[in-house]
Amino acid sequence: DTGVSQDPRHKITKRGQNVTFRCDPISEHNRLYWYRQTLGQGPEFLTYFQNEAQLEKSRLLSDRFSAERPKGSFSTLEIQRTEQGDSAMYLCASSLEAVSYEQYFGPGTRLTVT
Amino acid sequence: DAKTTQPTSMDCAEGRAANLPCNHSTISGNEYVYWYRQIHSQGPQYIIHGLKNNETNEMASLIITEDRKSSTLILPHATLRDTAVYYCIATSNFGNEKLTFGTGTRLTIIP
Repeated sequence: DTGVSQDPRHKITKRGQNVTFRCDPISEHNRLYWYRQTLGQGPEFLTYFQNEAQLEKSRLLSDRFSAERPKGSFSTLEIQRTEQGDSAMYLCASSLEAVSYEQYFGPGTRLTVT
Repeated sequence: DAKTTQPTSMDCAEGRAANLPCNHSTISGNEYVYWYRQIHSQGPQYIIHGLKNNETNEMASLIITEDRKSSTLILPHATLRDTAVYYCIATSNFGNEKLTFGTGTRLTIIP
């Protein structure tokens, strides 16, 4: 257990539905990252925050995806109008910028779109 | 970030040293080499990183060639729990921005 938690661990949804995932980072960590991982591939970067500010977004993050970190603590990742291609593991990580070179990953949320 | 190339898979006998190679021939002077691993159904886990000197910690050793074009991660006494996918990443940020993972090396420790 790295101290990063994600909820839910598994989500099955029907195509077209909206889903929201939550990530709770290690409490003192100011940076929070979202990655997506499909079968047989390494994680792909989606976005990251420093405190409340979203500093970078990947082109993978289409307009159906939105991420927030309203109080600089937990974060949510919402996918609107899910598509079968969104089926993947969504990973969250956190780090303490300028102190730690290590990202601590949570266990991930596995999304299946039927 | 420099592109890295790793073998798709490797086997190692339990108790032996596992040596995982990584090529990063286009690495620039300010890019670090990071290693993460991912055990099945878990998130990636940091192992070690280095710039140009060899590094060792409680998990592994990292040997970087003098020209920095390749490196080797060494797990000195592999156990079954070391079975995982190992990712080599070259990045200029200090690990605190996006990480670009490749497909990694699937290491299987054989009893």
